[in-house]
Amino acid sequence: QMTQSPSTLSASVGDRVIIKCRASQGISNWLAWYHQKPGKAPKLLIYQASTLESGVPSRFSGGGFDTEFTLTISRLQSEDIGTYYCQQYNSWWSFGQGTKVEIK
Amino acid sequence: QVEVVESGGGVVQPGRSLRLSCETSGFTFSNSAMHWVRQAPGKGLEWLAGIYGDESNHYYVDAVEGRFTISRDNSKNKLYLRMSSVRVEDTAMYYCARVPCVTSCPTGGFDKWGQGTLVVVST
Repeated sequence: QMTQSPSTLSASVGDRVIIKCRASQGISNWLAWYHQKPGKAPKLLIYQASTLESGVPSRFSGGGFDTEFTLTISRLQSEDIGTYYCQQYNSWWSFGQGTKVEIK
Repeated sequence: QVEVVESGGGVVQPGRSLRLSCETSGFTFSNSAMHWVRQAPGKGLEWLAGIYGDESNHYYVDAVEGRFTISRDNSKNKLYLRMSSVRVEDTAMYYCARVPCVTSCPTGGFDKWGQGTLVVVST
């Protein structure tokens, strides 16, 4: 079971944004983050908790271990709007419920 | 380049069956575990089923265990999802996704996704 917070986030362009993800049991660093824009398939941003997928902007970073994880966007851009999901793949596979990011 | 294309969705009556396909290209299919993920209208992502590249293991979420069957044909670079006894709550966009390792691995995020195929279960 993966729990994300907050469910919705409103921030201004240039803001630092942090999304949290908590696992109900320890998952080491077997965690990925995805970004989904409306009407599109999800896109992998980060895997192994902190490794940036090729081509993903460096303003995205991930951290954490065991049960507590974070996704940070250092300076929010307009193209970053959409929904972000964490996913554990340590014990089978499951997604968090999502965090919707909007521009204020 | 890597391509993943789902097909087979449509409108189906409750209790009937449907088979989704996922055609891939641009990578060594048998070296990749593959998964199905769905998204009901306005809802989040739900992992459904996965199969290792060597077909040694299959996994299902409880909600579809016994009703859905994941399979693959490594000679055709194709993944399938057989959906039986479909229910109204199975209405969703169904995505096929790749993991860049044969089984499960620390770098095992779903790195390539198709555009999805829509399944609507309705009378």
